[in-house]
Amino acid sequence: GENVEQHPSTLSVQEGDSAVIKCTYSDSASNYFPWYKQELGKGPQLIIDIRSNVGEKKDQRIAVTLNKTAKHFSLHITETQPEDSAVYFCAANWDSGGSNYKLTFGKGTLLTVNP
Amino acid sequence: GAGVSQSPSNKVTEKGKDVELRCDPISGHTALYWYRQRLGQGLEFLIYFQGNSAPDKSGLPSDRFSAERTGESVSTLTIQRTQQEDSAVYLCASSARPGVGTGELFFGEGSRLTVL
Repeated sequence: GENVEQHPSTLSVQEGDSAVIKCTYSDSASNYFPWYKQELGKGPQLIIDIRSNVGEKKDQRIAVTLNKTAKHFSLHITETQPEDSAVYFCAANWDSGGSNYKLTFGKGTLLTVNP
Repeated sequence: GAGVSQSPSNKVTEKGKDVELRCDPISGHTALYWYRQRLGQGLEFLIYFQGNSAPDKSGLPSDRFSAERTGESVSTLTIQRTQQEDSAVYLCASSARPGVGTGELFFGEGSRLTVL
């Protein structure tokens, strides 16, 4: 099956700085890589995703890069704001027996943006 | 409702008791997922429903866990003879189309289970 490693587990930055979270995956067949943000007491919410046919995707202050050869992908948040403080999860899909319905998640990164 | 609704939001039970957790997906969403989130851990896949069918139950941790879905809507996750290691947040998600990557997964706020 798929294994996703995520680093760092905690990240503290000053408001306005950039934050980078990195993930590696094991299954070369994975082709879909979403990132979820989970605020305290809430369910995870999709913030950006990338497919294996592109190397980078950007949405305002958030960007994701994918290196298929190295099997790693990263989330970049620029000009961080206190409301960016949350737990961020990366994930990769795993096509199990031809049924593409499983997402394997990393263990999460607690991002704290200090005002 | 507008989003995925889960109940109860919090459940405290004694070891050995049975619990039922309920998920109301977004109306019209055919795909439904259950995940478990232990403290400080990532989300662990439990089971996936396409309509009322669960093509793969291998993510369920043991035979004490079962899930069903009726009317292509509400789903219930049942844990029998609960153990302390079952303590976790159980998250439900739904999607308009089957398969990962075909559409966004919308998560509920979860049911926090504490087994004493």
